[in-house]
Amino acid sequence: GQNIDQPTEMTATEGAIVQINCTYQTSGFNGLFWYQQHAGEAPTFLSYNVLDGLEEKGRFSSFLSRSKGYSYLLLKELQMKDSASYLCAVRDYSQAGTALIFGKGTTLSVSS
Amino acid sequence: DTGVSQNPRHKITKRGQNVTFRCDPISEHNRLYWYRQTLGQGPEFLTYFQNEAQLEKSRLLSDRFSAERPKGSFSTLEIQRTEQGDSAMYLCASSLGHQGTYGYTFGSGTRLTVV
Repeated sequence: GQNIDQPTEMTATEGAIVQINCTYQTSGFNGLFWYQQHAGEAPTFLSYNVLDGLEEKGRFSSFLSRSKGYSYLLLKELQMKDSASYLCAVRDYSQAGTALIFGKGTTLSVSS
Repeated sequence: DTGVSQNPRHKITKRGQNVTFRCDPISEHNRLYWYRQTLGQGPEFLTYFQNEAQLEKSRLLSDRFSAERPKGSFSTLEIQRTEQGDSAMYLCASSLGHQGTYGYTFGSGTRLTVV
């Protein structure tokens, strides 16, 4: 089976940098995704990693180490609108037609 | 086509009633997924379709849950004899194949409240 762990809550201030970690165990790894979800809304895609290393996209970056089963999402120049839940999800080709399997999410609160 | 559409957005039902939700995926997407999300949790995978074929349903929560995608386009999720524990957000997602780098596109969900 799969196991995906991420912190439940994090807090930060506007303009700061925050790193949200995710560890996973899976048998058929085929990519790691980060989604952002505001309360009451659908998850929206942020980033995708399938090879080791850092993927940068504007203020958001995501890192993957397959050997360690570890990823992080880095958010720079935090804004109030970044307050949301951040979901780490693994695509596992050995399970369920490569459905995304999600962690419980990290609720990020950004204060001024 | 503006994305994945789910109806209704909200549903309140009495315990014991049957409910049906609809999902219209992005038109060119051949894969469709149903998830359930409860408060403070990540989405929990329920079932998926490739075109009209339901290729995984072992994760449906009980035999009260069923899903269809009769023509390989829209899908419905039915819950029979609803229970209070079924109260949750039901999310639909679609994708084109399973190798895309953009994951899956989610709809806004149907929030079910069983009273």
